[in-house]
Amino acid sequence: DAEITQSPRHKITETGRQVTLACHQTWNHNNMFWYRQDLGHGLRLIHYSYGVQDTNKGEVSDGYSVSRSNTEDLPLTLESAASSQTSVYFCASSLAGGPENEQFFGPGTRLTVL
Amino acid sequence: AQKVTQAQTEISVVEKEDVTLDCVYETRDTTYYLFWYKQPPSGELVFLIRRNSFDEQNEISGRYSWNFQKSTSSFNFTITASQVVDSAVYFCALSEVLDSSYKLIFGSGTRLLVRP
Repeated sequence: DAEITQSPRHKITETGRQVTLACHQTWNHNNMFWYRQDLGHGLRLIHYSYGVQDTNKGEVSDGYSVSRSNTEDLPLTLESAASSQTSVYFCASSLAGGPENEQFFGPGTRLTVL
Repeated sequence: AQKVTQAQTEISVVEKEDVTLDCVYETRDTTYYLFWYKQPPSGELVFLIRRNSFDEQNEISGRYSWNFQKSTSSFNFTITASQVVDSAVYFCALSEVLDSSYKLIFGSGTRLLVRP
């Protein structure tokens, strides 16, 4: 069965360290997204990609970067982790096309920055 | 600006009660899509329903029903005869085309607790 996976599921790191969160999908979806979930804010879009070599900034992109070298993967990098980036991170994917396509979400990564 | 408001932060009901989760949205576009997602205690997000802006028919799926009213910019979700397994955080979301891209804007979520 097609799926979307995230690793690690839990991560503790220290302020200033670089951290990369992995996202891998086997749906063969063109579109991939990264969100963060914080209490009282719902999910907020960090970065998104509509295909290989395409990346775009979302609502809360400062301090994060992504790269898309193939269809299946969209790793999220925190260049220099800050305590404000402690959050639960979700990766999602959807079919190419318009806004009508639902997004399929990964299980999430809980990141703690000390 | 696009915005989704879920004013109910938390709702607690007793099993078998009916419960309605409110969702109000703001958008400048005439073509848009509305979604509901469920996040059970295990943490994953589960797609429940999609509705486009041209289809105002209410939808029923088992104990779940959705009421879409463009006149009030609302897309409310009702669970009939609630069960303990319905306990979760429910998110309403809006998707529209903006500057040649489309994004999903989430509300802050409503936590539903169904007590036995």
